[in-house]
Amino acid sequence: GAGVSQSPSNKVTEKGKDVELRCDPISGHTALYWYRQSLGQGLEFLIYFQGNSAPDKSGLPSDRFSAERTGGSVSTLTIQRTQQEDSAVYLCASSRGHANTEAFFGQGTRLTVV
Amino acid sequence: GESVGLHLPTLSVQEGDNSIINCAYSNSASDYFIWYKQESGKGPQFIIDIRSNMDKRQGQRVTVLLNKTVKHLSLQIAATQPGDSAVYFCAEKGGGYQKVTFGTGTKLQVIP
Repeated sequence: GAGVSQSPSNKVTEKGKDVELRCDPISGHTALYWYRQSLGQGLEFLIYFQGNSAPDKSGLPSDRFSAERTGGSVSTLTIQRTQQEDSAVYLCASSRGHANTEAFFGQGTRLTVV
Repeated sequence: GESVGLHLPTLSVQEGDNSIINCAYSNSASDYFIWYKQESGKGPQFIIDIRSNMDKRQGQRVTVLLNKTVKHLSLQIAATQPGDSAVYFCAEKGGGYQKVTFGTGTKLQVIP
């Protein structure tokens, strides 16, 4: 596609349920990022995938959070046993990895845990 | 470093005035820098970038200045307009496959 696509755009879930958020990066982009953004706050880094290298998971806030990137393309961020503090916008971005070019962001998934 | 749990600082500017948004970056080895604009309800969008072998780059109404000595980056917006109201993030990247690292962000409010 022309840009980074995220789905769903909005997700409301009950506390304790698991959720999966999807990111389709720009074709050919080897680098993929997940960020979390709470209302009125900055970008909180979660995880970084680059090609076939082991992902940088240093930003994941707890073991309830995990992410996969299958075939070097689509990525899924999974949050298990959701808590109210997980409510935020989850943003995905992709880039050409080694190249000094910008990362392109999707529109985000707004997650609300009730 | 990464912005975590921090409320954004706000810069209020009168319409028509120039805006200057500042950013201190953390990694002296970073060689590529980017400014992003995030409007309400949208993902951040690229505005302008600069490589470490430059100290100034100009775009349409925007100028980025890089001072590697003090690890400082600034974004200047000329003749600020209401449509410039947004959150602005600086970002840095090292060479090779190092990840892009975002700054805290600054909220720009344009007063009509």
